[in-house]
Amino acid sequence: KNQVEQSPQSLIILEGKNCTLQCNYTVSPFSNLRWYKQDTGRGPVSLTIMTFSENTKSNGRYTATLDADTKQSSLHITASQLSDSASYICVVLTDSWGKLQFGAGTQVVVTP
Amino acid sequence: EPEVTQTPSHQVTQMGQEVILRCVPISNHLYFYWYRQILGQKVEFLVSFYNNEISEKSEIFDDQFSVERPDGSNFTLKIRSTKLEDSAMYFCASRTGVGYTFGSGTRLTVV
Repeated sequence: KNQVEQSPQSLIILEGKNCTLQCNYTVSPFSNLRWYKQDTGRGPVSLTIMTFSENTKSNGRYTATLDADTKQSSLHITASQLSDSASYICVVLTDSWGKLQFGAGTQVVVTP
Repeated sequence: EPEVTQTPSHQVTQMGQEVILRCVPISNHLYFYWYRQILGQKVEFLVSFYNNEISEKSEIFDDQFSVERPDGSNFTLKIRSTKLEDSAMYFCASRTGVGYTFGSGTRLTVV
């Protein structure tokens, strides 16, 4: 069964600190893995996209890693800001028609 | 930056009524999608649309659902007879290559 599992479910971090979110997937076929940021009541916004041959990709303070052998990915947020408070969702693109398989997300709360 | 536009942002409807959710995808995109997110749950795929026909649909997308691209710019999702469990956030998305852009969603509340 195609699944995308994320951990932790939620976390609270102090402004300025770093954090790392985890994603495990058992999706086949695999085309690429994406991390999205979703603010409450809004649509997901893409942070990074990685194919199976890419190990790491950065977008500002966000750095994603991918291990296609173990089917694991992580998203590292550096020097968190209050505006980073959101749900971070790991998503796998599964087929040629572009169907996305979503994880449940990690709810990140950054406090002053 | 090009956007996917969805209207309305919020719709309340009575159970059994028909609703049409509207989307204007990015103009040069070729693939169009509808996803939904029930409150507190993960985003789920509903349907993909390419070359004026459905290319793939999920088990959720039963006979009560239909999609249309009536005029080359709009992309609509129709729910024929809404149920309480259809209450959710509905996201439209469009894609070209690896680029995938979501709209801000329509919150559908069925009462």
